Formats: sequence, C-alpha cells, structure tokens
Amino acid sequence: EVQLLESGGGLVQPGESLRLSCVASGFTFNSYAMTWVRQAPGKGLEWISAISGNTFDTYYADSVKGRFTISRDNSKDTLYLQMNSLRGEDTAVYYCAKEGPTAFITGQIDNWGQGTLVTISS
Amino acid sequence: DIQMTQSPSSLSASVGDRVTITCRASQGISDYLAWFQQKPGKAPKSLIYAASSLQSGVPSKFSGSGSATDFTLTISSLQPEDFATYYCQQYNSYPYTFGQGTKLEIK
Repeated sequence: EVQLLESGGGLVQPGESLRLSCVASGFTFNSYAMTWVRQAPGKGLEWISAISGNTFDTYYADSVKGRFTISRDNSKDTLYLQMNSLRGEDTAVYYCAKEGPTAFITGQIDNWGQGTLVTISS
Repeated sequence: DIQMTQSPSSLSASVGDRVTITCRASQGISDYLAWFQQKPGKAPKSLIYAASSLQSGVPSKFSGSGSATDFTLTISSLQPEDFATYYCQQYNSYPYTFGQGTKLEIK
C-alpha cells in the first residue's frame, strides 16, 4: 500500500523559510516522479512543483518559481520542499503526491499524502 | 497556461441519482485529463486518469469520457459517501492546472 506522510508545516512570519518533508513507503520511490500540490483555505487545488525519479528534472509553477525548491533523497525515500521568502498567499495545506506510471514527470497523480498546513502570518 | 473550467460549480442531487460534471480545457489536451474526489478536511483521492481509465480500486460507478477540450465525469447511483467536491486536472503540459471544483451536495 502506498503511503505518503508529510511533515514540517507550521506557523511562520512573512519572509521566513520552511522545509516540508514527505516520507514515502509501499513502492519503489526512485521509480516515480513526485509532486507538490497546495490548497489555500476554502480554495481549490494548485499544482506547484514536480521532480523526476532521478532528480534530473524539476518543474515549478510561476507562483513559487525562484522561492521554492523541490528535491528528493532516494536513499531515504523522502521528498522535500524548501520554501523561502514566504508570503501570506502561500498559506495552504501542502500535499505530497506520487505520479505514475514512470520516473519521468508526467503530471499524472495517482496517490496523495494527508497534507501539512503552512500558515504565514505576523 | 491551460485553463480548466468545470461546470456546474455546485450541484444538488439525491441518493440514487446519476450525475454528470463537465470540464473544459482552454486548448486541446488530448486525453491527458484526470479526475479527483475530495471530502471536507481530507486529502484528494485519484479517481480517473487518461480521461476514462479508472484508478485501481475505484468503483465502476465512476466513469469518464472526452478528448481534446471537452470532458465529463459521470457518477451513477449516488450514495451518501459520493457527496464531495470533484476536480479535473490537465497534465498535457506544465503547469498542470486544475479546474475550480464542483461541489456535489445532497438534495
């Protein structure tokens, strides 16, 4: 059974940084691309970043490009999202998601984590 | 960026009904279209990929169709657990955009 467990969320002030983690189990981690999707309170889903299985390719939404960095440690089956220069509009639940069916980024999500809440406020 | 527009934004239906939700892409996306279900306070769940293929474990009461710019999600014989918000997502080209969601409520 695929399991994705996010952590690292919390309350930070504007301009500060935060790193999210997502520990994966139940599948061969390095064989699949991974994605972060966020959801602001009461709003819809927003795709924000993806990384290929071999870490060579990364994609970002314009809303986070230059501030957020996606990475993964395949030896630890863990996905990361480093978030810098945080703004109020970054307040959201952040979901880690597994893509299928290959290690290349396809955008095709098949499994989701439970999410971690990030709140940006002074 | 490709814009995804769902209709209706909300929908009331009764247990046992059959409902259809529409998703329109601002440009052709072939069949690179997925559908997700989200219940309040929960993570989304993947239902359909490639416009019409069911994810593993998803019951056949859910069905998807369409190609290019126009897509539908049909849910037959609604049960209480089906009342949720449904999202479409295109993955033809990045950024992989979602529709705004359709909230399915009990009448």
